[in-house]
Amino acid sequence: DAKTTQPNSMESNEEEPVHLPCNHSTISGTDYIHWYRQLPSQGPEYVIHGLTSNVNNRMASLAIAEDRKSSTLILHRATLRDAAVYYCILSRTNFGNEKLTFGTGTRLTIIP
Amino acid sequence: EPEVTQTPSHQVTQMGQEVILRCVPISNHLYFYWYRQILGQKVEFLVSFYNNEISEKSEIFDDQFSVERPDGSNFTLKIRSTKLEDSAMYFCASSEAVTGNNYGYTFGSGTRLTVV
Repeated sequence: DAKTTQPNSMESNEEEPVHLPCNHSTISGTDYIHWYRQLPSQGPEYVIHGLTSNVNNRMASLAIAEDRKSSTLILHRATLRDAAVYYCILSRTNFGNEKLTFGTGTRLTIIP
Repeated sequence: EPEVTQTPSHQVTQMGQEVILRCVPISNHLYFYWYRQILGQKVEFLVSFYNNEISEKSEIFDDQFSVERPDGSNFTLKIRSTKLEDSAMYFCASSEAVTGNNYGYTFGSGTRLTVV
């Protein structure tokens, strides 16, 4: 499995944008980049995913480098509820029937 | 928003006992999964299930584990003879089988299993 590298932890002030980086230098041409997050005492929650182009949804934006060796999850205006562990995961598909391999993720702390 | 529902939220069992963890996936989803997370550790894949059979399983999912979709709505994980090291949070997940879906995998809130 292609691996991802994320910082162990990050801090951000409330109501400011947050940029969470992920390196995936061994990504293959067909790997999708998925982001999930896990709030305290909850199950993982889907955030966003993409293949080559930048993606936006109601939760976040995903900026993918042109060479696809890195990506950045952007939370446009952090709230206290965004404090969670964020996982960057590569997957061969963008739909069902493939396991997700979770790493240790980035623990995001939001400072009020 | 549709949810994956897991019951019970917390189960305490004695070592050697059988437990069944229950999940109700989202109704139009066709792929189902179990993951577990030992306290302080990574989320680990256990098994995936599609079309009434196991698609893939991890090394953790040995003969003590089994899964079943008994009635078209529930998806269960059975551990036949629990060990202390089975203590963990168990998450059920489901996903659609539609290319290009934008919803990813939906996880439940988990069942905390404590083996004593």
